[in-house]
Amino acid sequence: GQQVMQIPQYQHVQEGEDFTTYCNSSTTLSNIQWYKQRPGGHPVFLIQLVKSGEVKKQKRLTFQFGEAKKNSSLHITATQTTDVGTYFCAPVGFQKLVFGTGTRLLVSP
Amino acid sequence: GAGVSQSPSNKVTEKGKDVELRCDPISGHTALYWYRQSLGQGLEFLIYFQGNSAPDKSGLPSDRFSAERTGGSVSTLTIQRTQQEDSAVYLCASSFSGQYGYTFGSGTRLTVV
Repeated sequence: GQQVMQIPQYQHVQEGEDFTTYCNSSTTLSNIQWYKQRPGGHPVFLIQLVKSGEVKKQKRLTFQFGEAKKNSSLHITATQTTDVGTYFCAPVGFQKLVFGTGTRLLVSP
Repeated sequence: GAGVSQSPSNKVTEKGKDVELRCDPISGHTALYWYRQSLGQGLEFLIYFQGNSAPDKSGLPSDRFSAERTGGSVSTLTIQRTQQEDSAVYLCASSFSGQYGYTFGSGTRLTVV
């Protein structure tokens, strides 16, 4: 079955530092979605990537889909305390939506 | 409604009892998932409904777990003879056709004592 690994599992940064999480799949993906889950909350949809090599930006967040559509990344520039949470990637396609292992981000002021 | 509604928000039950969790998806959303999340862990897939197709039940951990979706709308997840290891947050998510972003409900926190 499809397996999706995220690295790192956990990262603690100082406010203002950059942060990147990587999502790696064992198989070629159709699309990929990214979600954020705040502590004590539920996952919230951030974005969907569809095309090979696609790059999308949302303010300080940059999402990228690999050329081979087997990996993806989320980069946050100049983190803020509001970025705290767990970031999950989730491949989409004709198979069920399976979430990656998640990267937990802690931001210290 | 405007979002995905789950009820109850919290449920404490005795070991061995049956529980029923409810999910009201966004109107018109054909795709619906149930996930389970233990404290500090990721999202464990349980079951997937898409339109009128047969559900994908491959994530249900045992035959004590079952789910149905009536009329392509409301879904219920039933856990029979609950065990302590069933304690977790059960999350429901829905999407228009399954090819768009999913909206999650706030979840049901189940505690088996």
